[in-house]
Amino acid sequence: EADIYQTPRYLVIGTGKKITLECSQTMGHDKMYWYQQDPGMELHLIHYSYGVNSTEKGDLSSESTVSRIRTEHFPLTLESARPSHTSQYLCASSAPDRGQFTDTQYFGPGTRLTVL
Amino acid sequence: KNQVEQSPQSLIILEGKNCTLQCNYTVSPFSNLRWYKQDTGRGPVSLTIMTFSENTKSNGRYTATLDADTKQSSLHITASQLSDSASYICVVSDRGSTLGRLYFGRGTQLTVWP
Repeated sequence: EADIYQTPRYLVIGTGKKITLECSQTMGHDKMYWYQQDPGMELHLIHYSYGVNSTEKGDLSSESTVSRIRTEHFPLTLESARPSHTSQYLCASSAPDRGQFTDTQYFGPGTRLTVL
Repeated sequence: KNQVEQSPQSLIILEGKNCTLQCNYTVSPFSNLRWYKQDTGRGPVSLTIMTFSENTKSNGRYTATLDADTKQSSLHITASQLSDSASYICVVSDRGSTLGRLYFGRGTQLTVWP
């Protein structure tokens, strides 16, 4: 079991509210990621970070923002939630595989967001 | 266009039976292919990873194969258990390590019945 945590696990909120999804890891990984996943669909990368003060947008356009002030913490914020933001949000961190030129990503349990 | 296609979309088998899940990809260049298991309401967990030179890799009752020439991979599950019920996701990376971009399949939803 990876040491990566997400809170809350479930969130139901009204349109227009500001929300922050928390993600933290205790593995000391520099690289962290946020994915969006709808039922039966593939994961889409929305944000990533290679370390403190580094944040980049992913492949899927998202109205959310992220910050990386501490290595272990990578929160995602939606300033004004809308029903189209309803989805599962997965946080991950990665580290190089020993002796390999590959990384393994370790995923958190996810936050299921519903915007009414 | 770089894509990862998985089949079947869903599968139901009886406990104790074997099954094979398929993954076809068009990702180029190719660095590695990974199979993840995602339990309902949880994040994916890595099962196996294979690089270009590897044809097969096992992890307990899970055996993955890779044919880099035909760009196909399979995940074989032996003697299935109820706890194998999950979504199995094929993920292909186009480069190793830091620069690698990941391409995700939509997964195969496996249900194991008693």
